[in-house]
Amino acid sequence: KQEVTQIPAALSVPEGENLVLNCSFTDSAIYNLQWFRQDPGKGLTSLLLIQSSQREQTSGRLNASLDKSSGRSTLYIAASQPGDSATYLCALEAAGNKLTFGGGTRVLVKP
Amino acid sequence: ETGVTQSPTHLIKTRGQQVTLRCSSQSGHNTVSWYQQALGQGPQFIFQYYREEENGRGNFPPRFSGLQFPNYSSELNVNALELDDSALYLCASSTNPHGLLNTEAFFGQGTRLTVV
Repeated sequence: KQEVTQIPAALSVPEGENLVLNCSFTDSAIYNLQWFRQDPGKGLTSLLLIQSSQREQTSGRLNASLDKSSGRSTLYIAASQPGDSATYLCALEAAGNKLTFGGGTRVLVKP
Repeated sequence: ETGVTQSPTHLIKTRGQQVTLRCSSQSGHNTVSWYQQALGQGPQFIFQYYREEENGRGNFPPRFSGLQFPNYSSELNVNALELDDSALYLCASSTNPHGLLNTEAFFGQGTRLTVV
């Protein structure tokens, strides 16, 4: 059974600092990994999708890496801004027609 | 915005009642998946519908059921509501079922269900 863990559960940084969010998983037989952002009480916004054959994806200030052999993905957010405050979730797509989510990292960027 | 719309946005029901939640998938998407997200946790997979057939189910009891219509919109029905059913219910649409190709899922804004 795939288990996805995100550490830390919460993170507070001053504006301008780089953010590093971690996601670990137990089963490396995945099709892809997706990072999402969730604002309080809202739905999920897709940030980046990394296919199983890829090592990383970049979009603007966001960069996500994938290391299947170690069961890890990292989301980097450069030069954080108060608008980056949200919960960040990683999810793995594997067999069984579902996404398996981590518990999320709640980020607060202080002005 | 993703083009995935859910209704209603908020709902309050009494324990034992039944509820129907609705989801309109993004244009061109034939797959809808439903997730339950309890407060402070990640979403949990309920089931997926692909071309009007159930195509995978998570660890939820049979009182959670669904439908997909010819236009690929979907409903989630929950019977005999329990207090623990209080959660944010999310639907996601995609162009293929999970596990086929590399499919990006697009989520709606969710329905907040409160059972009292």
